[in-house]
Amino acid sequence: EAGVAQSPRYKIIEKRQSVAFWCNPISGHATLYWYQQILGQGPKLLIQFQNNGVVDDSQLPKDRFSAERLKGVDSTLKIQPAKLEDSAVYLCASSLTGGSTDTQYFGPGTRLTVL
Amino acid sequence: QKEVEQNSGPLSVPEGAIASLNCTYSDRGSQSFFWYRQYSGKSPELIMSIYSNGDKEDGRFTAQLNKASQYVSLLIRDSQPSDSATYLCAVNKDPGGTSYGKLTFGQGTILTVHP
Repeated sequence: EAGVAQSPRYKIIEKRQSVAFWCNPISGHATLYWYQQILGQGPKLLIQFQNNGVVDDSQLPKDRFSAERLKGVDSTLKIQPAKLEDSAVYLCASSLTGGSTDTQYFGPGTRLTVL
Repeated sequence: QKEVEQNSGPLSVPEGAIASLNCTYSDRGSQSFFWYRQYSGKSPELIMSIYSNGDKEDGRFTAQLNKASQYVSLLIRDSQPSDSATYLCAVNKDPGGTSYGKLTFGQGTILTVHP
């Protein structure tokens, strides 16, 4: 079974530029998550989708971050404009149902550096 | 007070010893508890989950949960150099009214097992 796929793996941009990340979850997984992991910290949930609807986006900086999950499968996360403090690893995860006991499977992540 | 707090590291143990990793959480409504392992430059991978008070054993790993004390721990017996990684405690609380949980991670504890 293929795991969670993400691209690109690395991205370097200047501040105020825009960037987009792509995620393809495990086939059949209804729930998709985007996390931000700053160096030395645990992952922080940015947004959670159940199929193509948003369940939780309370920690998403909506003035600059946006995400969508069209057709309930792939998802993109966009930052526009980027700030220096957005430098982090962006992790996508998926789970079968999104229930509280469900295992979340993580993709390899995208390492973003904002200069 | 942080929602999920782990004992500050790094933790260094000799090969063959028991490594003890601790985690406390603030929300008494928390339902599910997870331990993830994250190797440097890699994404988190689930090693243990626990939902009920008491101990849960899986090979060299034992998770312990005490909901009254809001405390969860992970013991690694016969530690190996390959166990050297960051260990992340994650807590999932049922927000109530839905079946979707929200995973909150601690900051992680770096474990080094030296030969």
